Amino acid sequence: DVKVTQSSRYLVKRTGEKVFLECVQDMDHENMFWYRQDPGLGLRLIYFSYDVKMKEKGDIPEGYSVSREKKERFSLILESASTNQTSMYLCASSFGAGRNIQYFGAGTRLSVL
Amino acid sequence: QKEVEQNSGPLSVPEGAIASLNCTYSDRGSQSFFWYRQYSGKSPELIMSIYSNGDKEDGRFTAQLNKASQYVSLLIRDSQPSDSATYLCAVNRQRYSTLTFGKGTMLLVSP
Repeated sequence: DVKVTQSSRYLVKRTGEKVFLECVQDMDHENMFWYRQDPGLGLRLIYFSYDVKMKEKGDIPEGYSVSREKKERFSLILESASTNQTSMYLCASSFGAGRNIQYFGAGTRLSVL
Repeated sequence: QKEVEQNSGPLSVPEGAIASLNCTYSDRGSQSFFWYRQYSGKSPELIMSIYSNGDKEDGRFTAQLNKASQYVSLLIRDSQPSDSATYLCAVNRQRYSTLTFGKGTMLLVSP
């Protein structure tokens, strides 16, 4: 069965903190993605990775960085959290070739105070 | 910026009726199209994928694709209250394996 696991369902952090969101998939997928979802704005792509140690900017990369040291793990880093980064963060993964079906984790609801 | 457009709704239908959800997209080069269902507070889950013009049926769900008109639709037959959710349309981009998502249509099925 498809499994994408995000390390936390809820997180509360303070402005200026460094925040790590972790995502692990067990499907041997090449591609991994980080999105944020906000009311009225839909799902927006932050960063994605198509291979180990490779990363590409999505539509809204400002204020974020990522790390992919192993194929199964993709981390999203907020270097200095700000209140406008309060959001639902969703990780997804897919095979590298073929029909691009993305499978999502349960999401992390991050609040920055 | 390539876009995917959906009516935000809510679309309200009575139990047992057919719900029709529509999506238009701007990138003529798109080849893969998806419908995801998202319950409130949950993550999106794939319910249909379609790659060729025409209809694709899976149980109570039918996806329809018309590349010439750049629209994709989802029909839900015999709608149930448990179908009440937000439905997201997603279209592949030419770049790598990324998707562009619409903002979703909220469906409400009343008993």
